[in-house]
Parts: sequence; C-alpha cells; structure tokens
Amino acid sequence: SAVISQKPSRDICQRGTSLTIQCQVDSQVTMMFWYRQQPGQSLTLIATANQGSEATYESGFVIDKFPISRPNLTFSTLTVSNMSPEDSSIYLCSVEYLGGEQYFGPGTRLTVT
Amino acid sequence: GQNIDQPTEMTATEGAIVQINCTYQTSGFNGLFWYQQHAGEAPTFLSYNVLDGLEEKGRFSSFLSRSKGYSYLLLKELQMKDSASYLCAAGAAGNKLTFGGGTRVLVKP
Repeated sequence: SAVISQKPSRDICQRGTSLTIQCQVDSQVTMMFWYRQQPGQSLTLIATANQGSEATYESGFVIDKFPISRPNLTFSTLTVSNMSPEDSSIYLCSVEYLGGEQYFGPGTRLTVT
Repeated sequence: GQNIDQPTEMTATEGAIVQINCTYQTSGFNGLFWYQQHAGEAPTFLSYNVLDGLEEKGRFSSFLSRSKGYSYLLLKELQMKDSASYLCAAGAAGNKLTFGGGTRVLVKP
C-alpha cells in the first residue's frame, strides 16, 4: 500500500481565514480524493483531484470554497476558504492504488473558532 | 442515487464472531469496501470486493452479492482491539466512494 502523509495534522483557525491542507504520497498515483468527516458522522466525498486538470466536485461542494491543486502525481492540496465553525471537521485525502484499493491519509483535524 | 445501510452498533464478547451487514443501492456500482476506524484515527483499509463471493484475510472475511446489493464483514476470534467503527463504502463511476454511517462494534471481555 502507499504511504500517505498530510500536513498539518491539526489546526485551530479563526472564522473568515483560510487553511491549506497538503497530501503527499510516496508513489505516483492517478486518482486522489478529498473527503470530510464531520463530528460523529461518516465520510463525505468533497472532490476528485485530477492531475493536469481541474478538480471534480460533488454536489454541495464548490471550487470557491474548497479550491484544490494537483500539480503532480504524488501531491495535492485542499484549501478551506473563508472558514466558519461549520467547517470544523476532519479532512482526509485518499489515493487509489493498484487493483482499485483506496487508502486514506492520517487526516487533518480542523477546528474553527 | 446512492444509499448505504448498516447497523449503528453491535456488541460482542471477546473470542466470539460478529457479522456486520451492509446493503447498498448505488448507480454505476463497481465494488464494495470495508474500513476499520478507531476513535480519533483515519479509516484503515480492510477489504475490497468486486466479484461475488467470500474473501478471507486472517480473522476478517468479506462477502459480496451484487445481485442482492448486499455485503457483510465477518470478524472472527474477536479481540478487545477490534472495538472500533466499521465503515461500508460502495464504489461507483470515477472510483468515488459513498459511505454508510458506520457500525460501532464494542467487544466486551
């Protein structure tokens, strides 16, 4: 399986500010995804990060709020913009590896005050 | 549309067997995933079933019936460390995953 790291692991931010989360994989992968897990909830897909093209967003998520970059096959960033307390969540990246298996990074725990 | 159902909570005794069922209705279904998630941690991959049948990996086994929209995760010889949430997720076109609400398993001595 791939080794996936995320930075930061956690942060406390003020409302109205933005935070960029990084996801780094130790091998080249085609598919990378960003998920959100709100307190006490299961995971919800935010978007698919496509290398060389714009991200594909799920219903309820928009680029202005969650801009995503995918500059190469081992790295992606998710920005949470103009944050409000409702954005307090764990944000996770995942990668699709050989055979279709998907693995998650360790997550970024965001608290917005 | 996507709909994934699994029980909210299950309790079992150490050394016993527990079966977590998952039913799904997913457009463009292409596989069923199971993850384990301990409190405060990220989900850990357990299994990925594409074809019908049972796949065994040590103490954990996963079953899929595509015609019935049904899967289960079987945990044998339960250990205290198996207390966690178990997430069922259906894969669809674009390899996107839709998750159920998770099943919290409590293993008692």
